[in-house]
Amino acid sequence: AQSVTQLGSHVSVSEGALVLLRCNYSSSVPPYLFWYVQYPNQGLQLLLKYTSAATLVKGINGFEAEFKKSETSFHLTKPSAHMSDAAEYFCAVSESGSEKLVFGKGTKLTVNP
Amino acid sequence: EAGVAQSPRYKIIEKRQSVAFWCNPISGHATLYWYQQILGQGPKLLIQFQNNGVVDDSQLPKDRFSAERLKGVDSTLKIQPAKLEDSAVYLCASSLDHGTVETQYFGPGTRLLVL
Repeated sequence: AQSVTQLGSHVSVSEGALVLLRCNYSSSVPPYLFWYVQYPNQGLQLLLKYTSAATLVKGINGFEAEFKKSETSFHLTKPSAHMSDAAEYFCAVSESGSEKLVFGKGTKLTVNP
Repeated sequence: EAGVAQSPRYKIIEKRQSVAFWCNPISGHATLYWYQQILGQGPKLLIQFQNNGVVDDSQLPKDRFSAERLKGVDSTLKIQPAKLEDSAVYLCASSLDHGTVETQYFGPGTRLLVL
C-alpha cells in the first residue's frame, strides 16, 4: 500500500529564506508524486507533479521538487520565500496506472517578515 | 474558465440528522472525486466517478454515506445519519479524463460541523 510521510507539521521561515518541505513516500511500484498547496478556506491547487520523466520538476510560483528514488523522497523547495507562500502544503502519491491519490498530513508554512 | 463549484460552504447540524452537499465540476470534465479532509489530516478519497459510473468507492462508509452523479455532470454527497466524527471539510475535485497524469482541480470545499 502506498503512503506519504511529511516531516514537520509546521515550518517557519523568514521572508527571503530558503523553503524546504520534506516528503517521503512508500510505494511498491514506480510512483507518481504530487505537491498541492491549500490557502485558508480554499481548495487544493496543484504546484507540480512527477510522472517518471525528469527527476527535477519545476512548478508554479517558483517551487520545484526533486525525485530521489534511492531516498524515496520528493522534497519541495523554493530559493526565496515570499509572504504569499504562507499556506498548507500536501504531498501525494499515486501508483502508475491508478488515479487514486494518497495524501500526507500536510505541512503548514509560516513566512515571517 | 469557471472552477469547481461547491455548496453550501458551511453547514452545522446535530448528530443523527441528514445533510447533502452539491458539486458542479469544471465543464467537460468526465471524472469527479469526493474527498473527506478531517482537521489536521490530508484529504482522503471517498468516491470517484467516471461520467455517471462509480470507479472507486472502497473508502465510502456505505452504511451512512451515499453519492450520485446523475447525467454525468453535477454530483451530490449525502450523509444520513451524521455522526460527530463526520465533522470535516468535504472537497470535490474533477479532472478532464481518467488517468494518473490528469490534474485534479479542487473546489473550495464544504465545511461540516456535527454537534
